[in-house]
Amino acid sequence: DGGITQSPKYLFRKEGQNVTLSCEQNLNHDAMYWYRQDPGQGLRLIYYSQIVNDFQKGDIAEGYSVSREKKESFPLTVTSAQKNPTAFYLCASSISVYNEQFFGPGTRLTVL
Amino acid sequence: KQEVTQIPAALSVPEGENLVLNCSFTDSAIYNLQWFRQDPGKGLTSLLLIQSSQREQTSGRLNASLDKSSGRSTLYIAASQPGDSATYLCAAQHAGGTSYGKLTFGQGTILTVHP
Repeated sequence: DGGITQSPKYLFRKEGQNVTLSCEQNLNHDAMYWYRQDPGQGLRLIYYSQIVNDFQKGDIAEGYSVSREKKESFPLTVTSAQKNPTAFYLCASSISVYNEQFFGPGTRLTVL
Repeated sequence: KQEVTQIPAALSVPEGENLVLNCSFTDSAIYNLQWFRQDPGKGLTSLLLIQSSQREQTSGRLNASLDKSSGRSTLYIAASQPGDSATYLCAAQHAGGTSYGKLTFGQGTILTVHP
């Protein structure tokens, strides 16, 4: 089955902890993205990667970090510096940054 | 800075009605316009993508149009069904500059189709 997987589906974090959200794709896409979705605010871009070993900040990168060591994988770390991390996180991929984006099922992060 | 607005924020219609969802964007320098569907607690499903050189795209009961010069796109749903109930999001893809390829999303229209 081709597609994008995200894990875990639900994640709970204590204040002061770093957590890592997983995103994997087997679509052979070069570009991958992380978005954050808050109620009433639509989706906002956190980071994106056009190709392996390259990534760029999006609109709200503060408090987040990413890596792109493999084409298939684009993990997102939510650090303790992120002041309000409770949100729904969506990963996406596309053949290139100019092509249609396809989304994973999302991870809901809650800070306790 | 690109801003994308969707009207209405919510819409409730009886089954069988034809309906139109509106999307407007402030910067006409876009590469394409995408419409997505999102069910509660789920990811986004791509419905239609209109290239900037196109005027419309159709898929089954869905038809999306694009008027780049006026900064508008509409999603037309024919013969609505309860299964169409979801949030519909539009997103404009930037054509150049430092934000090339970036998607800017509207806040969505919550559609409820009741039997």
